[in-house]
Amino acid sequence: EDQVTQSPEALRLQEGESSSLNCSYTVSGLRGLFWYRQDPGKGPEFLFTLYSAGEEKEKERLKATLTKKESFLHITAPKPEDSATYLCAVIMIKAAGNKLTFGGGTRVLVKP
Amino acid sequence: NAGVTQTPKFQVLKTGQSMTLQCAQDMNHNSMYWYRQDPGMGLRLIYYSASEGTTDKGEVPNGYNVSRLNKREFSLRLESAAPSQTSVYFCASSERTGSTEAFFGQGTRLTVV
Repeated sequence: EDQVTQSPEALRLQEGESSSLNCSYTVSGLRGLFWYRQDPGKGPEFLFTLYSAGEEKEKERLKATLTKKESFLHITAPKPEDSATYLCAVIMIKAAGNKLTFGGGTRVLVKP
Repeated sequence: NAGVTQTPKFQVLKTGQSMTLQCAQDMNHNSMYWYRQDPGMGLRLIYYSASEGTTDKGEVPNGYNVSRLNKREFSLRLESAAPSQTSVYFCASSERTGSTEAFFGQGTRLTVV
């Protein structure tokens, strides 16, 4: 069964304390992997798309990487405004339409 | 830019009542989607529309119907609401199905009592 698992479920960081979030997937043929940020009471906000192993994308303090079985979202020197839930989602090659399969998310809290 | 707009933002229904959630996008996207988000379950696809005039079931379609009114609008209808449909509903759109990123609305928080 196709699955997307994110870890840890929650992460508490001090401002400036770098860390990484993990998204592992067991799918038969990956078409694309997406990272989203979600603030409380709001919809997910698109961050990155990764298509092939070895690919990397960066945006401000965030960097996403992709291997054949997992993706990492690295947060470098985080600030309190980076506090949010980070969601990972995949689209499989065999998926009908555009079925995004989401992981459960990682709640990140950055304390000043 | 408005992006994806959902109405209403909040709604309380009694069991058995019906209602329609509205969604409109102004990005000229071909594909639109309805998701529900529940604690511990993540985001799950209810229905999607790959292009104007087509709709297909997602992962959890039971109890819902959809209408792709035109390229901009995609509505979700609950014919007879049940407490199990208490959730936050998100509409999203993307340029096309397949491998492009989806953009989400702000959500509708629905409570069925």
